[in-house]
Amino acid sequence: AQSVTQLGSHVSVSEGALVLLRCNYSSSVPPYLFWYVQYPNQGLQLLLKYTSAATLVKGINGFEAEFKKSETSFHLTKPSAHMSDAAEYFCAVSEIGNQFYFGTGTSLTVIP
Amino acid sequence: EAQVTQNPRYLITVTGKKLTVTCSQNMNHEYMSWYRQDPGLGLRQIYYSMNVEVTDKGDVPEGYKVSRKEKRNFPLILESPSPNQTSLYFCASSPTGMFYEQYFGPGTRLTVT
Repeated sequence: AQSVTQLGSHVSVSEGALVLLRCNYSSSVPPYLFWYVQYPNQGLQLLLKYTSAATLVKGINGFEAEFKKSETSFHLTKPSAHMSDAAEYFCAVSEIGNQFYFGTGTSLTVIP
Repeated sequence: EAQVTQNPRYLITVTGKKLTVTCSQNMNHEYMSWYRQDPGLGLRQIYYSMNVEVTDKGDVPEGYKVSRKEKRNFPLILESPSPNQTSLYFCASSPTGMFYEQYFGPGTRLTVT
């Protein structure tokens, strides 16, 4: 079974600052990797996904993530935070067998 | 509009009273899944289904049942709910399994007293 670790359950950044949300997975076989965002009282929406093509993946709203096999990481970044980015972010992994594993989430606060 | 719908959105019930949460998708997706979301634990997969009449256990299946008699519907059944099943539940679907992103429903907040 996979495990997905998101370091930092709460991250605060100033508006305009770099956003970095960390995700590490446990599989030795490169899985499929996803980042989702959850706004208050809503379901999850896909931000971006890695499916073994380019290691740098661009998503919606200016977010991107880099797959680093040697570090088993898939960290999410955005160069300049906006107030509307305040939300909870989840990293997820899927593997052969079609089971999905989610991290515990990181709540992003953007300070004006 | 392509969507995943869940009903009810909010439910308060008592221990032991059987309940069903419905989930329906209109995207002709093969894969459907149920998750529960708890503070500090993220989302955990309860059950998933690759197609009609095919279901598999996720990480936390105890106390839950599912069925997939039609492609579009995937109800979650709690035959004897207990307080530790108080949670926020999400249904999701995708074209197939591991290769595709999932589309999530709006969630069902369940309280068992």
